Order: sequence, then C-alpha cells, then structure tokens
Amino acid sequence: NAGVTQTPKFRVLKTGQSMTLLCAQDMNHEYMYWYRQDPGMGLRLIHYSVGEGTTAKGEVPDGYNVSRLKKQNFLLGLESAAPSQTSVYFCASSYFWGQSSYNEQFFGPGTRLTVL
Amino acid sequence: RKEVEQDPGPFNVPEGATVAFNCTYSNSASQSFFWYRQDCRKEPKLLMSVYSSGNEDGRFTAQLNRASQYISLLIRDSKLSDSATYLCVVNLSGGGADGLTFGKGTHLIIQP
Repeated sequence: NAGVTQTPKFRVLKTGQSMTLLCAQDMNHEYMYWYRQDPGMGLRLIHYSVGEGTTAKGEVPDGYNVSRLKKQNFLLGLESAAPSQTSVYFCASSYFWGQSSYNEQFFGPGTRLTVL
Repeated sequence: RKEVEQDPGPFNVPEGATVAFNCTYSNSASQSFFWYRQDCRKEPKLLMSVYSSGNEDGRFTAQLNRASQYISLLIRDSKLSDSATYLCVVNLSGGGADGLTFGKGTHLIIQP
C-alpha cells in the first residue's frame, strides 16, 4: 500500500495564479483532511471531509476550496494564490471508530508551496 | 489560554539520558490524546496514543493527568534517532472529525 500520497511535492506560483493539490489514499479511509503548517504556528486544519461527496470548513478555510468526488481522493484548490498562502500543505486520512474518537491520522509527505 | 500548549524547546539532551516534556490542553471534556513525531521536512507520524491509565511502548511512556489537564511523554535511554519534533495532539471537541488540535511541537536534539 502506498498510504497517503500528494501531488505535487513542490510548486512555485505567482500571486493570482491558481492551482490544485491532489491527495490520494489507498486505505479505504472515510475521513480526509487538509492542513497547512507554518513556522511557529503548528498544523492548522483548512478543510476536511467525512465521506465521498461531503466537505466542511476547518480552522483556516479562507482562500481555499476542496472537493471529494471519489472516496480515495481529496483535492485542495487555490483560486487566486496570495503570498500568505506560502506554506507546507499536508493531507491526512483516518478511520473513525464509533464514539471512541480513536482517529489516528495518516499523513502524506507534504507539498511545499511558495507564492511570489 | 491557548488550546494545546507545548514548550517549543529545543531540548538538548545527551545520548542515553532520560527526557520528559509536557503538554497542556484547555478543554476538560477532551477524550483523545496522542503524541506524534515529526522529523525535519517530513510528515507527522503517530508515536503513541495516551490512555487514561498511562501507557508504555519500549523506551517511551505517556501519561495523562485529567485533573491538571496535561499529558506527558517520557523518553528513556535516548538515542540519536530520537531527535525530532514531538507534537502533542488533543481531540478538544470530544469526538468530532475536526476536533484534533495540534500543539506547535517540542524540538528535541539528542547529542552524542
């Protein structure tokens, strides 16, 4: 199993350009997440999905859109990139087992995005 | 008060020593607690879950103190390979899919 994969690994954009980050998982997980990680800020949740066809906002959703058309894929879009979106983006996926909230998240290797 | 708070370090520790660090959390109703490890320029990976009774995995011991709202991680006989950033993770919402809150991490450097 490949686990969680992300495409691309690196990208440089100019302000105003758009792009889509692709996350794929082969573990049949229901839940998928997009985070950004900035120095001194820790991981912050952008959007998440609890199943195919559903998405929800996280802590920092502004400037991003997402789609979950297939269970194994979760796309993160930047419609008009801004320098403030320079960051490392991590995708993650997890099972969710009943009310126990045992939800270990498995992370992809990350995408390093620079917006000039 | 910050929701999940950790001492950022760095903790510089000689190889073979024992090191411990804590993490405090804000919501007394939190149900799930984890330690993740993140190597430089890599993704976070689960190190261990933290159970109410405490748990041990080899050289690593995790403890939960609900009364004081903190969790701890103890590393015994530290190895050079233990050098990493350790992220405290708490499900503050009590079970929601968006409930995992990550601390900013504690940077550990094991010195030969």
